[in-house]
Amino acid sequence: AQSVAQPEDQVNVAEGNPLTVKCTYSVSGNPYLFWYVQYPNRGLQFLLKYITGDNLVKGSYGFEAEFNKSQTSFHLKKPSALVSDSALYFCAVRDYRRDDKIIFGKGTRLHILP
Amino acid sequence: DAGITQSPRHKVTETGTPVTLRCHQTENHRYMYWYRQDPGHGLRLIHYSYGVKDTDKGEVSDGYSVSRSKTEDFLLTLESATSSQTSVYFCAIRDRGRETQYFGPGTRLLVL
Repeated sequence: AQSVAQPEDQVNVAEGNPLTVKCTYSVSGNPYLFWYVQYPNRGLQFLLKYITGDNLVKGSYGFEAEFNKSQTSFHLKKPSALVSDSALYFCAVRDYRRDDKIIFGKGTRLHILP
Repeated sequence: DAGITQSPRHKVTETGTPVTLRCHQTENHRYMYWYRQDPGHGLRLIHYSYGVKDTDKGEVSDGYSVSRSKTEDFLLTLESATSSQTSVYFCAIRDRGRETQYFGPGTRLLVL
């Protein structure tokens, strides 16, 4: 069965600094990986995905993520944080050869300090 | 938002009563999902559907049932609501072509 771990409940970053939100995953087969963002009192919005190809994927709002197969990680990054990036971020995985389930992590709350 | 609506958006009910939440989509997607969101637990998959009358269990399916009699509607039923089912419930579709999920606005359920 697949699973996702987001080891940090909260990450604080000063505005203008680079940010990283960590995600590791576990699947028996081959992963499709996703990042979603949730702003207060809103639903989830898709940010980016890794399906195949380049390990570095770029998404919405200047975010990118790097797929690392050997470390089973898919960390979310942004070179320069904005206060408006403050939100709850979720990593998700699907084992695409075995299952239609899409499993989410517990989420990481990102605070960007002005 | 991929044309996803959820109803009701808010509901207060009492322990032991049945509750049905509805997810409706307008774009004919085959795959639909129900999740619950709770502090400290993130999003947990309850049930999902891969076609009309085709459903399967997720991570936290106990106490929940689902039905999908037509492509556009996916119903989540709490047969006898308990306080532990107080949560925010999100429906999602999976766009197979884009391999991306899109979420509905959520239903906030309070079981007293």
